[in-house]
Amino acid sequence: GENVEQHPSTLSVQEGDSAVIKCTYSDSASNYFPWYKQELGKRPQLIIDIRSNVGEKKDQRIAVTLNKTAKHFSLHITETQPEDSAVYFCAASASGTYKYIFGTGTRLKVLA
Amino acid sequence: NAGVMQNPRHLVRRRGQEARLRCSPMKGHSHVYWYRQLPEEGLKFMVYLQKENIIDESGMPKERFSAEFPKEGPSILRIQQVVRGDSAAYFCASSPTFQPNTEAFFGQGTRLTVV
Repeated sequence: GENVEQHPSTLSVQEGDSAVIKCTYSDSASNYFPWYKQELGKRPQLIIDIRSNVGEKKDQRIAVTLNKTAKHFSLHITETQPEDSAVYFCAASASGTYKYIFGTGTRLKVLA
Repeated sequence: NAGVMQNPRHLVRRRGQEARLRCSPMKGHSHVYWYRQLPEEGLKFMVYLQKENIIDESGMPKERFSAEFPKEGPSILRIQQVVRGDSAAYFCASSPTFQPNTEAFFGQGTRLTVV
C-alpha cells in the first residue's frame, strides 16, 4: 500500500543553524506534498506545500524540494528559532484521491 | 471566517460507552475528512465524507466506528463500546473541492481518553 517514510524522528539544532527533514513516498502517482507543523496539544498547521510540477518552493526561512524520479522531498528550515520547535509531518496525496498519507513525524528542538 | 470547529476538545469515556465527536467544516467547504492520531504517531486517514455521502471509509475499523455528514449540521464520528485502544486525538479536516492536491484545513482535534 501507499507509504511515506520520514527521517529523522528527532532532530536537535542550535538556534541559527539549519534543519533538514527528509521524506520518501511509494506511490509514483502522488502529486501533492504538504508539510504540517504541530505544536504540543494543537492542530497540524500547513506551513508549506509543493505540487509535482515544480522542483522547489521557498517561503521566507522555509523551503521544500521535490525529486519525483527518486520519490523524495525535503523540508529545509534556515536560521532556526526556538519557536520552530515542534513536530513536523510530511504527507503525500494518495493516487488520484483526496486523502493524505502522513509520515511518522520529526520532533525538532531548537536549542537557544 | 471561522476555521474547522471540533467539539468537544476533550472527551473522557469509560470502556463500553459511546463517544460522539463533532466537526463543523469551514464555511463553504463541503468535504470532510477524519484522521486519528495515536500518541507519538502520525495521522492516519479514517474516512472521507461529503454531504449525505460517505466517499471513502477505507481507514475506518470495520466494527464500532461510523461516520456521517448530514445535510444539516456537523459531521459526526461515532465510536461505540469504546476500548482503551481508542484513546487518541481525532482530527477533522475540510476542503472546498474534491481535487486531490487541495489544502485541507484541520480542526483543533478531540482528545478521547478511555478509562
